[in-house]
Amino acid sequence: KQEVTQIPAALSVPEGENLVLNCSFTDSAIYNLQWFRQDPGKGLTSLLLIQSSQREQTSGRLNASLDKSSGRSTLYIAASQPGDSATYLCAVISGGYQKVTFGTGTKLQVIP
Amino acid sequence: DTGVSQDPRHKITKRGQNVTFRCDPISEHNRLYWYRQTLGQGPEFLTYFQNEAQLEKSRLLSDRFSAERPKGSFSTLEIQRTEQGDSAMYLCASTRIIGSNEKLFFGSGTQLSVL
Repeated sequence: KQEVTQIPAALSVPEGENLVLNCSFTDSAIYNLQWFRQDPGKGLTSLLLIQSSQREQTSGRLNASLDKSSGRSTLYIAASQPGDSATYLCAVISGGYQKVTFGTGTKLQVIP
Repeated sequence: DTGVSQDPRHKITKRGQNVTFRCDPISEHNRLYWYRQTLGQGPEFLTYFQNEAQLEKSRLLSDRFSAERPKGSFSTLEIQRTEQGDSAMYLCASTRIIGSNEKLFFGSGTQLSVL
């Protein structure tokens, strides 16, 4: 059974700082990995999708990496802004989208 | 706007009542998922459909829960005889299974409060 862990559970940083969020998974036989952002009381917004054959994906100030062999993905946020404050979730997708397992998320607060 | 619509956004009900939620996926998406999320937790899988066929149900989905996706378009999730433990955010997601680079898209969710 796939288990997904996100560390830290919460993070508070001053505006402008670069930061890294971590996602670990126990079964390396994954199909894709997707990072999401969730604002309080809202649904999930897709940030980046990394296919199992890829090592990283970039979108603006976001960069996600994937190391299947070690069961890890990281989300790097450059030059953080108060608007980045949200909960960040990683989803590990296995078996051709038959299994999608989420971590518990990292709650990020960027202080102006 | 992700294109996945959920209705209603909020539902308050009394214990023992039945509730039904609706999800309209992105039109060309053939896979539809239901998740439940409680405060401080990640979404937990409930069930998913490939077109109109319900392919898997989680053991979290007790016999009080039923989901349908008639004609492979919108989907409904019904909870009968609601309990206070059913209070959660119910999320719907959809994707298109034709390649390896298809993203999951989520709706805004239905927040259920059982009094």
